[in-house]
Amino acid sequence: DPKIIQKPKYLVAVTGSEKILICEQYLGHNAMYWYRQSAKKPLEFMFSYSYQKLMDNQTASSRFQPQSSKKNHLDLQITALKPDDSATYFCASSQDNSGNTLYFGEGSRLIVV
Amino acid sequence: GDSVTQKEGLVTLTEGLPVMLNCTYQTIYSNAFLFWYVHYLNESPRLLLKSSTDNKRTEHQGFHATLHKSSSSFHLQKSSAQLSDSALYYCALRDMDSNYQLIWGSGTKLIIKP
Repeated sequence: DPKIIQKPKYLVAVTGSEKILICEQYLGHNAMYWYRQSAKKPLEFMFSYSYQKLMDNQTASSRFQPQSSKKNHLDLQITALKPDDSATYFCASSQDNSGNTLYFGEGSRLIVV
Repeated sequence: GDSVTQKEGLVTLTEGLPVMLNCTYQTIYSNAFLFWYVHYLNESPRLLLKSSTDNKRTEHQGFHATLHKSSSSFHLQKSSAQLSDSALYYCALRDMDSNYQLIWGSGTKLIIKP
């Protein structure tokens, strides 16, 4: 059973719309992250949270907003979607934010048309 | 700031040949912690190897790497490539500067041909 659940697995959205990517982890971890992988590009770090607090943000655009309603949840809200936002978004978690092993979810593939 | 360099963006090898993926890093801290993550197509990235001990070989799933602090390197090696090794490989450094976050290399795509 996957310990990090991402929903939806696939998503097609219209330019200008808003979507939320869901992530829940059942590993008992205290730190959670969002990464993005666009076509033909390497994995790109976006955000990290520890105990539901934002620790690091490498995303320039405010259109990307992480939301943590519970310790084991870290959703990603994306507003005013653009075709360039098309990518696979990976959620990850670790025991804490001291750089221990990251465990990744299966990803949410977003296509913006 | 800290950085990780993976010079090769793409490595193509014939099955059975040895694999070596380069990773070098820069950090002002002496206690660098280096990682290799592997990302197979249609799967999640996952940890392959990690090390913080200088000059000690670490092995997993047929791959090995040795952290050399004198040369700031953590190259990934395998004696004989298999078709199933085709994947994206990321080298990462634990950053002691900013909340202990991982600093990622740009990744090396390894393609193994029959």
